[in-house]
Amino acid sequence: AQSVSQHNHHVILSEAASLELGCNYSYGGTVNLFWYVQYPGQHLQLLLKYFSGDPLVKGIKGFEAEFIKSKFSFNLRKPSVQWSDTAEYFCAATRAGTALIFGKGTTLSVSS
Amino acid sequence: NAGVMQNPRHLVRRRGQEARLRCSPMKGHSHVYWYRQLPEEGLKFMVYLQKENIIDESGMPKERFSAEFPKEGPSILRIQQVVRGDSAAYFCASSLGLAGVTDTQYFGPGTRLTVL
Repeated sequence: AQSVSQHNHHVILSEAASLELGCNYSYGGTVNLFWYVQYPGQHLQLLLKYFSGDPLVKGIKGFEAEFIKSKFSFNLRKPSVQWSDTAEYFCAATRAGTALIFGKGTTLSVSS
Repeated sequence: NAGVMQNPRHLVRRRGQEARLRCSPMKGHSHVYWYRQLPEEGLKFMVYLQKENIIDESGMPKERFSAEFPKEGPSILRIQQVVRGDSAAYFCASSLGLAGVTDTQYFGPGTRLTVL
């Protein structure tokens, strides 16, 4: 069955620390991958997406993610987090014409 | 604001009542998706609709839940005879609907349903 798993349920970092959130997917065939962010009290916003091409994808607010096909992974990274990055982060996958399958989310807490 | 609109933002119902959640997609988008988010869970797909058609309802409970996306007006997710387990945040997303191609889904602010 198709699935997306996020390894970290809750990550706590200090400002300026580096961030890496893990995401693995289980999908046959071509897959498209997304990271969404949900800031407290707000709706989901798209951080970045991978459809094809360069496996290193850059998104908004300094985030990037790397698609590693051999590892079925799409980890999210940011070299230096800020307090304002405190949010819940969701990895999701889909194929053309189908709905997104989400991971359970990772809550990131950044202390100033 | 050209984003996905959902209303109401908060909805309180007593057990046995009906809940109607509305979603207006972004301008130009013809595809709508409904997801449910339970506490400590990620978003779970419920139903995928185009105008006047249900494309995939594999994630929607067979009983009490229904969805529509009429030619005119918003998409409606309807829950009849609500139970406490229906309490959740319900998110709508829309996309352009490019045939055979993945396109990005944009999310609304959600409706938080509380069943007393």
